[in-house]
Amino acid sequence: KQEVTQIPAALSVPEGENLVLNCSFTDSAIYNLQWFRQDPGKGLTSLLLIQSSQREQTSGRLNASLDKSSGRSTLYIAASQPGDSATYLCAVRPAGGTSYGKLTFGQGTILTVHP
Amino acid sequence: EAQVTQNPRYLITVTGKKLTVTCSQNMNHEYMSWYRQDPGLGLRQIYYSMNVEVTDKGDVPEGYKVSRKEKRNFPLILESPSPNQTSLYFCASSTFQGHQPQHFGDGTRLSIL
Repeated sequence: KQEVTQIPAALSVPEGENLVLNCSFTDSAIYNLQWFRQDPGKGLTSLLLIQSSQREQTSGRLNASLDKSSGRSTLYIAASQPGDSATYLCAVRPAGGTSYGKLTFGQGTILTVHP
Repeated sequence: EAQVTQNPRYLITVTGKKLTVTCSQNMNHEYMSWYRQDPGLGLRQIYYSMNVEVTDKGDVPEGYKVSRKEKRNFPLILESPSPNQTSLYFCASSTFQGHQPQHFGDGTRLSIL
């Protein structure tokens, strides 16, 4: 059974810092990995999606990398801002078979960026 | 605007009273899914649907039913709700191929007394 772990569980940084969030998964047979942001009381907003054949994806100040063989992904946030404060979740989609539709989430990292 | 719409957003009800949470998407997505989010347990998949009339169990399907009669709608049914189903529920959709990101609704907070 796929297990997804995110470290750290919480992170507090001053504005302007570059930071890294980590996501690890136990089964490397994945179709893709997706990073989400969740604001309090809100749904999930997709940030980046990396296909299993890709090594990284970038969007603005965000960069996500994927090392499928080692079961790890990182989300890099450059020049953090208070507006980046949210919970960040990663989720993996398995590669085919009868479990194709199942998405497994990590528990999330709660990020606080203070001015 | 592309969106996933859930209703109701909040509901307080009593044990045993059947309820339905609706989910509708306007992106012509084949894939739809329901999750529940609980403190300390994260997001867990309840049911998913790969297309019309095709549904399958996720990790925590007990006590829930779903149907997919139309492509845009994927209601979640609690036939006899119990207090352990008090949770925050999310509906999501995406294209079948999975190359595109999943889109989530804003959530439904259910309290079962």
